[in-house]
Amino acid sequence: GESVGLHLPTLSVQEGDNSIINCAYSNSASDYFIWYKQESGKGPQFIIDIRSNMDKRQGQRVTVLLNKTVKHLSLQIAATQPGDSAVYFCADASGNTPLVFGKGTRLSVIA
Amino acid sequence: NAGVMQNPRHLVRRRGQEARLRCSPMKGHSHVYWYRQLPEEGLKFMVYLQKENIIDESGMPKERFSAEFPKEGPSILRIQQVVRGDSAAYFCASSPIGYAEAFFGQGTRLTVV
Repeated sequence: GESVGLHLPTLSVQEGDNSIINCAYSNSASDYFIWYKQESGKGPQFIIDIRSNMDKRQGQRVTVLLNKTVKHLSLQIAATQPGDSAVYFCADASGNTPLVFGKGTRLSVIA
Repeated sequence: NAGVMQNPRHLVRRRGQEARLRCSPMKGHSHVYWYRQLPEEGLKFMVYLQKENIIDESGMPKERFSAEFPKEGPSILRIQQVVRGDSAAYFCASSPIGYAEAFFGQGTRLTVV
């Protein structure tokens, strides 16, 4: 079946360094993706989204890259801060189906 | 504009009891989605409702689980005769139109003892 998955379950990054979280998807027809951040004990929070007509989208300290050829997207966080520690999910928001979430990557920021 | 409100935040039930989880969507949102999350796992879709209608319940167990979104009042996820395996965090999300970006509540953590 179609799926959205993440390459690494955990990622430890030194404070101030850049973080890169990867996500693979299998449905070549998928055309809209959302990255969510989930802090401990809280619900997922929208970070940034990207549609398939774009390769890159930038927000405040975050950048999402989409490579449709290899069905891969990544979330880059610049100058990672302790407040960035959370679980990050990519979600396939394409078409007429509810959001499909990957398992998540836990980002730990080392002070 | 208040976000998605879920209550209770924590719910403890004994095996065999009923659990009722409530979700009030964001103002202006008429589409509600329920997800379940087990520890250290992603969110699994359960059911999608629009006012008074179930649009997609493909992720909801056929037995013991039901959901509603009445014309007035919050959406309710009901779990009858709870078992230990029902222990999880249940999240509700809402959107202004179907299958669009969804905003999540803080979740209800159900513990079955």
